[in-house]
Amino acid sequence: DAKTTQPTSMDCAEGRAANLPCNHSTISGNEYVYWYRQIHSQGPQYIIHGLKNNETNEMASLIITEDRKSSTLILPHATLRDTAVYYCIVSRGSNYKLTFGKGTLLTVNP
Amino acid sequence: NAGVTQTPKFRVLKTGQSMTLLCAQDMNHEYMYWYRQDPGMGLRLIHYSVGEGTTAKGEVPDGYNVSRLKKQNFLLGLESAAPSQTSVYFCASNADRGNGYTFGSGTRLTVV
Repeated sequence: DAKTTQPTSMDCAEGRAANLPCNHSTISGNEYVYWYRQIHSQGPQYIIHGLKNNETNEMASLIITEDRKSSTLILPHATLRDTAVYYCIVSRGSNYKLTFGKGTLLTVNP
Repeated sequence: NAGVTQTPKFRVLKTGQSMTLLCAQDMNHEYMYWYRQDPGMGLRLIHYSVGEGTTAKGEVPDGYNVSRLKKQNFLLGLESAAPSQTSVYFCASNADRGNGYTFGSGTRLTVV
């Protein structure tokens, strides 16, 4: 599975959009990009995933570049409750397992 | 729906003791996973199962055994606990590769 690179930490003002980048330059054609988040001490929470097209759900939007080497998770109106570690994961594993890195700590400030 | 339920939520073991962590899901998911998370680290896969009666090793399987006798349950066993196994253990499940995982709330294990 392709490796990912994320910033260690980011800050965002409450009410503003949070844009979390992820580089995955070695991604293969059949690998998905998944995003999860982990709020302090809780189990990780699935946010969104995509293959090549941009995706949107009630939580966030996922923008994948045309060459698929990077992506951005967008939280359109960040709240204090969005403070968490955000994990970008790339996976195609035939055995369906995901490999978690250290993620990005997003801190939403009042 | 309860989702993924982990039992127990907290446990303290003495070195050399054994215990079993239970993960139960009520979503009829085919795939189940056990991860551990150490302070300041990401999650590391211990073992996983792609269906009832099957198990496979993940990234850090040593010192652990698993069983998936029923589709809804995935058990993680520690035969002889060591302080290095002090960690937070998360169970997860999903229906197929296209879907996201559902995680449990974790089991906090301390081995003294």
